[in-house]
Amino acid sequence: QVQLQQWGAGLLKPSETLSLTCAVYGGSFSGYYWSWIRQPPGKGLEWIGEINHSGSTNYNPSLKSRVTISVDTSKNQFSLKLSSVTAADTAVYYCARGRSITIFGVVSYYMDVWGKGTTVTVSS
Amino acid sequence: SSELTQDPAVSVALGQTVRITCQGDSLRSYYASWYQQKPGQAPVLVIYGKNNRPSGIPDRFSGSSSGNTASLTITGAQAEDEADYYCNSRDSSGNHLGVFGGGTKLTVL
Repeated sequence: QVQLQQWGAGLLKPSETLSLTCAVYGGSFSGYYWSWIRQPPGKGLEWIGEINHSGSTNYNPSLKSRVTISVDTSKNQFSLKLSSVTAADTAVYYCARGRSITIFGVVSYYMDVWGKGTTVTVSS
Repeated sequence: SSELTQDPAVSVALGQTVRITCQGDSLRSYYASWYQQKPGQAPVLVIYGKNNRPSGIPDRFSGSSSGNTASLTITGAQAEDEADYYCNSRDSSGNHLGVFGGGTKLTVL
C-alpha cells in the first residue's frame, strides 16, 4: 500500500520561501506524476504542479514564477518550494500521486494517493 | 478561475439518487476524475476513467460523460456521503496542466 508522508514549516513570514517535502513509501517512484495541490481556508482545491521521476515538470501558470518542484529519486522524495509568500498563500498543502492512462483512446488523469496535508500559515 | 465548472451546492434525500456535474472544454478530450473530501480530511479518489472505482469505494458511486460534461452519480445516497466533491482533469491548453472544478457541497437530508 503506497503511502505519502509530507512535512515542512507551518508558519512563515511574508516574503519567505515555503518548503515542503513528500516521501513515497511502499511503491515505485517511476511512471507517475508527483503532484502538489493546495486548499486555502474555506476554499476549493488548486493544482500547483507536478514532476515525474525523470524531473520533467508542469506548473500552474498563476504560480509558475514562484514555484519549483524537484525530485530526489534516491530517497523516493519530491519537494515543493514557493518563493515570496504572502497571506494569499496560506493554505493546506497536499502532495499526491498522479497517474495518466488511456482508455478507449481517451486520457484519464487522476490522483489516487494523497498525503495528509500540511497547514501553512503566512503571517507577520 | 477554474476551467471546470461545478454547481456550488446540491442536496439529496437519504436513499435517493443524486447527480453532480462538471463542465469544461477539456472534458471533450479527457475523462474527469472525482474526489470526495470531508471536513479536515484529505481528498479521496472515488471515480476515474470511463467509470472506474478504486478499491474500497462503494458501488453506489458511478461516473459518466457526454460531450463537455462529466457526471458523478450516487445511487442511494447515505448520510456518510455528505461531503465536498471535486472534479479534476487536464486543462484545455494542451500543456498537460492539472485543473480542479470549484467543488460541490453535497448535503444529505
